[in-house]
Amino acid sequence: SQTIHQWPATLVQPVGSPLSLECTVEGTSNPNLYWYRQAAGRGLQLLFYSIGIDQISSEVPQNLSASRPQDRQFILSSKKLLLSDSGFYLCAWAGTKDAGANVLTFGAGSRLTVL
Amino acid sequence: RKEVEQDPGPFNVPEGATVAFNCTYSNSASQSFFWYRQDCRKEPKLLMSVYSSGNEDGRFTAQLNRASQYISLLIRDSKLSDSATYLCVVTWVGFKTIFGAGTRLFVKA
Repeated sequence: SQTIHQWPATLVQPVGSPLSLECTVEGTSNPNLYWYRQAAGRGLQLLFYSIGIDQISSEVPQNLSASRPQDRQFILSSKKLLLSDSGFYLCAWAGTKDAGANVLTFGAGSRLTVL
Repeated sequence: RKEVEQDPGPFNVPEGATVAFNCTYSNSASQSFFWYRQDCRKEPKLLMSVYSSGNEDGRFTAQLNRASQYISLLIRDSKLSDSATYLCVVTWVGFKTIFGAGTRLFVKA
């Protein structure tokens, strides 16, 4: 069966520090991968998505970046965190290449507080 | 106009009530449609897919109107455990997947 792992689960970082959040999917190949951010009391904001190892689409400029060093690994990074980067970061995967059936399954999330 | 819009609620209903949520989307080329449920401080989980012909899963019924770019979710015989935020989700061609901001439901005894 397929599983998705995200880490770390919780972190507290100072403003201006770097960030690296990791997401790994097991039990599937060539998944569609997604990063979302959810600020407190708000909806999910799409940050990045990738339909293949060399294909990453960015929805949000600013100070975040994403990489997919391996087929089933998706990393979210920042060189310098802002206070506004605080939130609940969610990684998700989908196993289909049919956009009409693109069901996302989420990891448990990483809760980031920037102080 | 937001890409996916939902009434944020909250909806406060008694147990046993029927409640309906609506959602509109802006991209007429959208490919797939879903309702997710999110409990407080947890990740969203798939509730059901939404098909043009309408579909039902127990107490839940989803409808899609492509002409009006409108999706709905009906919950019958509400339970306390239905209290959550319900997220409308749309996938475009190219796999961009957008979530609505969610509708909060509180079911009370």
